[in-house]
Amino acid sequence: DAGITQSPRYKITETGRQVTLMCHQTWSHSYMFWYRQDLGHGLRLIYYSAAADITDKGEVPDGYVVSRSKTENFPLTLESATRSQTSVYFCASSELETQYFGPGTRLLVL
Amino acid sequence: DQQVKQNSPSLSVQEGRISILNCDYTNSMFDYFLWYKKYPAEGPTFLISISSIKDKNEDGRFTVFLNKSAKHLSLHIVPSQPGDSAVYFCAARRNAGNMLTFGGGTRLMVKP
Repeated sequence: DAGITQSPRYKITETGRQVTLMCHQTWSHSYMFWYRQDLGHGLRLIYYSAAADITDKGEVPDGYVVSRSKTENFPLTLESATRSQTSVYFCASSELETQYFGPGTRLLVL
Repeated sequence: DQQVKQNSPSLSVQEGRISILNCDYTNSMFDYFLWYKKYPAEGPTFLISISSIKDKNEDGRFTVFLNKSAKHLSLHIVPSQPGDSAVYFCAARRNAGNMLTFGGGTRLMVKP
């Protein structure tokens, strides 16, 4: 299907474990983004990428790692998960001003 | 320091009436503004946008107004429908790059 997909949709993990959230888009958009949504904070940018092999930090990058070896994929890794990383994570892509979002991954860190 | 603020966390409106959602910003470098709508367990979806060179943009039942001197924008929904019940985020883009800064969201409830 065309569009932007995220996997898994739900994930439960334990403190200290590594977790990777996947994001795939079929539009060949240059830009891709990772956000987290928390109550009272709206959507906060974690990392973004302007093209393959080009990534940069957003507002809340600590504890996260990204890579972008292919235009269509932008995985987000929590190297050692903490309870404060319990959140809903959204991936988005864009070519111009409008960003298009995936359905989200709900992550619970116990 | 929140550069984009939505001061009303929730709003309740009767079906058929007007819904007005507000958003304030502090950064004068923002040149493009967007509204997104989000249903539970789904990602945000783009609703309507406005460039800083305009003061109004209309799309069907949705109109966005921009007051640059007040650094304020608003989304009007007329008439409101129960299916409009969702969380609405305003977002702003600086005139460099494709990054957006989001407000905290307003939950709209339209009562039948």
